[in-house]
Amino acid sequence: DTGVSQDPRHKITKRGQNVTFRCDPISEHNRLYWYRQTLGQGPEFLTYFQNEAQLEKSRLLSDRFSAERPKGSFSTLEIQRTEQGDSAMYLCSSSRRGGTTNEKLFFGSGTQLSVL
Amino acid sequence: SQQGEEDPQALSIQEGENATMNCSYKTSINNLQWYRQNSGRGLVHLILIRSNEREKHSGRLRVTLDTSKKSSSLLITASRAADTASYFCATGHTGTASKLTFGTGTRLQVTL
Repeated sequence: DTGVSQDPRHKITKRGQNVTFRCDPISEHNRLYWYRQTLGQGPEFLTYFQNEAQLEKSRLLSDRFSAERPKGSFSTLEIQRTEQGDSAMYLCSSSRRGGTTNEKLFFGSGTQLSVL
Repeated sequence: SQQGEEDPQALSIQEGENATMNCSYKTSINNLQWYRQNSGRGLVHLILIRSNEREKHSGRLRVTLDTSKKSSSLLITASRAADTASYFCATGHTGTASKLTFGTGTRLQVTL
């Protein structure tokens, strides 16, 4: 499978615990994005990497959230001290930087987080 | 925050009918894209239209863009039960170079 893969698909955790999600983008894509989606809403941008550099972060990304993309390949999103409001689908997507900006995004199936 | 508003929020039609979804946005765009999402899954890119284009076709999909009204529409012709999904418009903006801003989505139900 050469698509974007995310792990795990589902995560149930207790409030206050830390969780980490992984995303493997399409191999030739140098741009990687994290989005969050709550029920009945569209995805909301969290952060963006070009290669290993984190170039943009949303105000939604509180200091409890951290994302990394070591070596410009896979990425991890960690949430510390989870809160019930963190319950959402976390979507990873990737794209290839072409001659123009904003190329289409390829999405993974997401990680559904439930904080009890 | 969501950039776009989609209308209607939900649409139920019978197989074979056409489905039209509308998207309005607030600020100038570089391009507008439509994505489809099946329940509990990731999004799949359908079509991209650039700000200097007015209409684009892809198979049974037709997208229009009116930058003066800051609106777009997605038409799915001869709908099938397999078209049942949520559809989102997403806008890309000059200068942001990266992120797309998604609308709230239209939930389409196609019945036999």
